[in-house]
Amino acid sequence: KAGVTQTPRYLIKTRGQQVTLSCSPISGHRSVSWYQQTPGQGLQFLFEYFSETQRNKGNFPGRFSGRQFSNSRSEMNVSTLELGDSALYLCASSLGEGSYNSPLHFGNGTRLTVT
Amino acid sequence: AQSVTQLGSHVSVSEGALVLLRCNYSSSVPPYLFWYVQYPNQGLQLLLKYTSAATLVKGINGFEAEFKKSETSFHLTKPSAHMSDAAEYFCAVSTYNNNDMRFGAGTRLTVKP
Repeated sequence: KAGVTQTPRYLIKTRGQQVTLSCSPISGHRSVSWYQQTPGQGLQFLFEYFSETQRNKGNFPGRFSGRQFSNSRSEMNVSTLELGDSALYLCASSLGEGSYNSPLHFGNGTRLTVT
Repeated sequence: AQSVTQLGSHVSVSEGALVLLRCNYSSSVPPYLFWYVQYPNQGLQLLLKYTSAATLVKGINGFEAEFKKSETSFHLTKPSAHMSDAAEYFCAVSTYNNNDMRFGAGTRLTVKP
């Protein structure tokens, strides 16, 4: 099976712009989670989607949003970019409902740099 | 909400020495615990998981962890470190009533020749 695929791998944007990141989960996985990873804050949970519905959301401002499509692929969007949004954004998939004890399978991330 | 604390942001060992990475959890309900490893410029990979079966869990690459409820701990060990073990390690917790997995701050393992 193909793993979790995130595109693009690297992105450079300017303050004030917006960005969309894409994630394709492992085939058969219905849950997709997004994390922000920075040296100072570590791995922080952004949100989790299951069957096109957001089930849980972390403590991030409304500039961060996401969605999931019927084929389980997911996108996250960050509007009005700030320098502090520079980070590695990781997507992870898992089986989904009732799978709280199932591990997450991570993609290699999208490295976003905001200048 | 559940959480984990990893003691020590950096651990350095010599090749062949014991590896011990510490993780303590906090949860009001039975936890599910995981250890992940991250190599540079990559995502996280699962090393092992505890899901209320055996308290001693064996994972990949010779790693194992023991769930100790009385100590609320889930420390990761490996008897003999290898150069290829140099990476960042994350402890994580989830529960049946929550749909997000919470990660510790990570421990960077350095292996000296």
